[in-house]
Amino acid sequence: AQSVAQPEDQVNVAEGNPLTVKCTYSVSGNPYLFWYVQYPNRGLQFLLKYITGDNLVKGSYGFEAEFNKSQTSFHLKKPSALVSDSALYFCAVRDPNTGRRALTFGSGTRLQVQP
Amino acid sequence: DADVTQTPRNRITKTGKRIMLECSQTKGHDRMYWYRQDPGLGLRLIYYSFDVKDINKGEISDGYSVSRQAQAKFSLSLESAIPNQTALYFCATSDPSGSPDNEQFFGPGTRLTVL
Repeated sequence: AQSVAQPEDQVNVAEGNPLTVKCTYSVSGNPYLFWYVQYPNRGLQFLLKYITGDNLVKGSYGFEAEFNKSQTSFHLKKPSALVSDSALYFCAVRDPNTGRRALTFGSGTRLQVQP
Repeated sequence: DADVTQTPRNRITKTGKRIMLECSQTKGHDRMYWYRQDPGLGLRLIYYSFDVKDINKGEISDGYSVSRQAQAKFSLSLESAIPNQTALYFCATSDPSGSPDNEQFFGPGTRLTVL
């Protein structure tokens, strides 16, 4: 079975400071990992994904994520947070070895960036 | 994303009523999905369709049915709505060409309240 956990319901950070939103996963093989963001009253938007290759993945709006196989993590990071980054962030996983063809999403982490 | 539209955007109904939520897309994607979002639970997959003749149950399909009328249209029905189906419902699409895990594009959501 594939699963993903976002251990923090909310993350608070001051504008200009670095931010990290945590994600850990559980799959039987090598995972495909994704981050999506949801702004108020909007659908989710894709930020970045890891399929294979370089463990550091760069995405939209200055975000990046690091795949760490030994820690089964895929934390989302940004060097300098903006107030406009305040939103709900979702991590998602798919295990391509199971035949399951759809993503499993985490419960979401609300990021609040204070001015 | 204006390329994925959902109707209605808001709906209040009573227990036992039949409800249909509609999703249309102009992206030309073969793959379409229905999710529900509940606070603290993230997104959970209800049904997904990888082409007009390929419809699959997701993790929470009980109480729901779907119809893929055409490549561009994917409807979700609640045959007899119950209060615990009160949620925010999202439709999404993805393009299977190239990478098998291309990003999903989400509609704006339908807020359904069952009294």
